[in-house]
Amino acid sequence: AAGVIQSPRHLIKEKRETATLKCYPIPRHDTVYWYQQGPGQDPQFLISFYEKMQSDKGSIPDRFSAQQFSDYHSELNMSSLELGDSALYFCASSRIGSETQYFGPGTRLLVL
Amino acid sequence: GQQLNQSPQSMFIQEGEDVSMNCTSSSIFNTWLWYKQDPGEGPVLLIALYKAGELTSNGRLTAQFGITRKDSFLNISASIPSDVGIYFCAGLVSGSARQLTFGSGTQLTVLP
Repeated sequence: AAGVIQSPRHLIKEKRETATLKCYPIPRHDTVYWYQQGPGQDPQFLISFYEKMQSDKGSIPDRFSAQQFSDYHSELNMSSLELGDSALYFCASSRIGSETQYFGPGTRLLVL
Repeated sequence: GQQLNQSPQSMFIQEGEDVSMNCTSSSIFNTWLWYKQDPGEGPVLLIALYKAGELTSNGRLTAQFGITRKDSFLNISASIPSDVGIYFCAGLVSGSARQLTFGSGTQLTVLP
């Protein structure tokens, strides 16, 4: 079965640079969620989109923005990167009417 | 905000043994999800629970949605080496906010 696709899987950036993470949800899933997981931590919710509209916002820094496109893929844009932004970034998707979220393999971001 | 207390934090068991872990909260959740995460990978959904009192099995895994809707447990029977990993509970409150709240995780080690 098709799963959530994330790209890139690994990304190395320097401080103050920008990064763009991409997420392709499971086919026919219309809701996308972004989570950040620091080393040894549990995933923390950042932001979600339903039908291309932002539906919920968590602990996402103002330096980050995200959007969902007409094909339901989503991009997380991160600017003015800081060392503390180094983490695993997960995208999850779900379909309307379902509470179940399926996670992608994640993007490991390292900020030097 | 909502918080989930997951215990134990880590477990060392012999292959073939059964293991149990649980999550409790001071808040009510409408959905409980159990995930397994391998290092550097995304959380993989194990079991989803939608109704208070629900008991659901998936192979050697059994999980229950507490009757008070404030707790859930996961049992693994006859553990095998590939059960090694971090197990997370996650709770969801239905409604406009569909962000998952994660427990802190249980690190499971299975000794041969």
